Formats: sequence, structure tokens, C-alpha cells
Amino acid sequence: GAGVSQSPRYKVAKRGQDVALRCDPISGHVSLFWYQQALGQGPEFLTYFQNEAQLDKSGLPSDRFFAERPEGSVSTLKIQRTQQEDSAVYLCASSSLVAYSNQPQHFGDGTRLSIL
Amino acid sequence: TQLLEQSPQFLSIQEGENLTVYCNSSSVFSSLQWYRQEPGEGPVLLVTVVTGGEVKKLKRLTFQFGDARKDSSLHITAAQPGDTGLYLCAGGEKEYGNKLVFGAGTILRVKS
Repeated sequence: GAGVSQSPRYKVAKRGQDVALRCDPISGHVSLFWYQQALGQGPEFLTYFQNEAQLDKSGLPSDRFFAERPEGSVSTLKIQRTQQEDSAVYLCASSSLVAYSNQPQHFGDGTRLSIL
Repeated sequence: TQLLEQSPQFLSIQEGENLTVYCNSSSVFSSLQWYRQEPGEGPVLLVTVVTGGEVKKLKRLTFQFGDARKDSSLHITAAQPGDTGLYLCAGGEKEYGNKLVFGAGTILRVKS
């Protein structure tokens, strides 16, 4: 498809395990964002890439969260030593060209992460 | 961090009624976007407003950006069951490097 693709759609892990979430942005999109959406809340910004460069990681909640986009296309969000408060939907969005505030962000359908 | 407050949190109305959703902040945003999100899906952009006082219409939906670029509203005329969903406003914090700040959302349910 032509949209943003995220995998897996659902992930269940035990507390303390490491998880990796994948995002395939729209082909050619320069900007890529990760958001965390808790139940009943709006998405919260985690991090932003322009091509392979991570320009803003101010929203990552702790050093257990790590994101990469090594070739400027696919991105992976990794969470180490997961905790129950990490349970949420993780959304990926991409945007063409450089991210200016009036440009639309195209969202994937998210990965629902449940930590037992 | 700039914050966006949305109201109401939940709205249940009959088909054919009108409604308004509000998005307010004490901070100025360079732009304001409205998204609609269905269960199990990602948000889908409805509109972007960038100029203070700007009004945009999308069929039965009217979006307005406040003169001071601190608030916005979404008005739906003659709501239909297909309008049911979560409506999110999101502010662009700065012109470049668009980190979006989202409101908590308004859950709209339109009953037939």
C-alpha cells in the first residue's frame, strides 16, 4: 500500500522484556515521527527524524527508549526492560520534505503494546 | 511544553444536530491541525489552519483559528452517524521541525 505501515499491530510482552516496533513510512518522505498514545488520550510526541538524523528526541520518556532510522527510510523504536506504564499505542507518522508546521503528517495504524 | 485543552471530552448527539468542539491554549501556535481517529486506526488529517482568524470549510465541517492563534474550533452542521469518531486538535509548536502537541480529544457519537 501507499500509506505508513507499522508492525506488529499488536505486541504482548512480559515486564522486563525488550521490544522492537517497526515503521515503514511513505516512500520518499523525509520526516518521520514517533508518538505514544495512552488509552483515552491524544498522541504524545516521542522523537523526530529528518532522513537518518534524529533531530529531536525530547519526548522519549527514559533512556530505555531508543529509536533509529539508519538508512533514512524504515525506523525502529526499541524499548528495553519494559514496564507496565509502557503499555500504549505507538504511532508512526511521516511527512514529505522537511517538517514545517503546516505540512500534514500521515499516520500509520499504530502498534498496540501491552506489558503484562 | 505548550498544552492544548479540548472540550467537551465526550459528546453524544442525535443525527441532524449541530455541534462545536473547542481547542484552547494559553500559548501561540504556528499552525493548528484537526485530525479524526477511528478505533484501531491512526489519526487522519482533516484540515490545517495557519493564519489568525482563518476559517476553512470542508463540506459540513467548519474550522476556525483564533485571531491570536491560541485557540480553534470545529463546527459540524447536521451531524451524521458517519461523523462518529475521536476528533483531535494538534498545534505546531514552531514553524520548523513540526513537533505536534495534541489535545486529549473529543469523542463524538452521533445516534441515528
